[in-house]
Amino acid sequence: DTEVTQTPKHLVMGMTNKKSLKCEQHMGHRAMYWYKQKAKKPPELMFVYSYEKLSINESVPSRFSPECPNSSLLNLHLHALQPEDSALYLCASSQDRLAGVSEQYFGPGTRLTVT
Amino acid sequence: EDKVVQSPLSLVVHEGDTVTLNCSYEVTNFRSLLWYKQEKKAPTFLFMLTSSGIEKKSGRLSSILDKKELFSILNITATQTGDSAIYLCAVEASGAGGTSYGKLTFGQGTILTVHP
Repeated sequence: DTEVTQTPKHLVMGMTNKKSLKCEQHMGHRAMYWYKQKAKKPPELMFVYSYEKLSINESVPSRFSPECPNSSLLNLHLHALQPEDSALYLCASSQDRLAGVSEQYFGPGTRLTVT
Repeated sequence: EDKVVQSPLSLVVHEGDTVTLNCSYEVTNFRSLLWYKQEKKAPTFLFMLTSSGIEKKSGRLSSILDKKELFSILNITATQTGDSAIYLCAVEASGAGGTSYGKLTFGQGTILTVHP
């Protein structure tokens, strides 16, 4: 099973709303990632969690707040977003990144529209 | 700064044609190169390459890495309309002690369109 699931599939929110994106994997992976993908562009890394600890923050604005409650779950909390934050948000996971080279598996993404 | 460049940016072929997609990179402390296929949503994993000259194959798809010349190619033979997608190349670099940062740097992608 190489499945990463994400909810919701689509989200429309106003600039004053607070919402959360959820990601789940049951492959025993210990590294999880959030990416942002704008139309016709490649994915851009936002955050990396390794063993439930934040290891990389790619200078993401504080209106995006990641959380990793356990090894299977990854959340992205959204608050006071801007219209330019509208994008496809992808979650990915990979095996323990300290143990060797391993590929990242992506979820289907959440299509976010900020109005 | 790590850099990944794919070519061509788009390609239109007919079913049955063979295509070659290119990916060149400049990375400090190269760790691996990955190919993904992206249709409507999530990129799906195709290959991971870490060693030069060893071809990886999966059905009609194959890929090889040249670490001396810093490039990889993805070949698709006997293309089908279902191969129409964006093909993404990504490179991962090592951090301290050879461990992985986990950061993939993606190329712009090649948009492949296969007509019946």
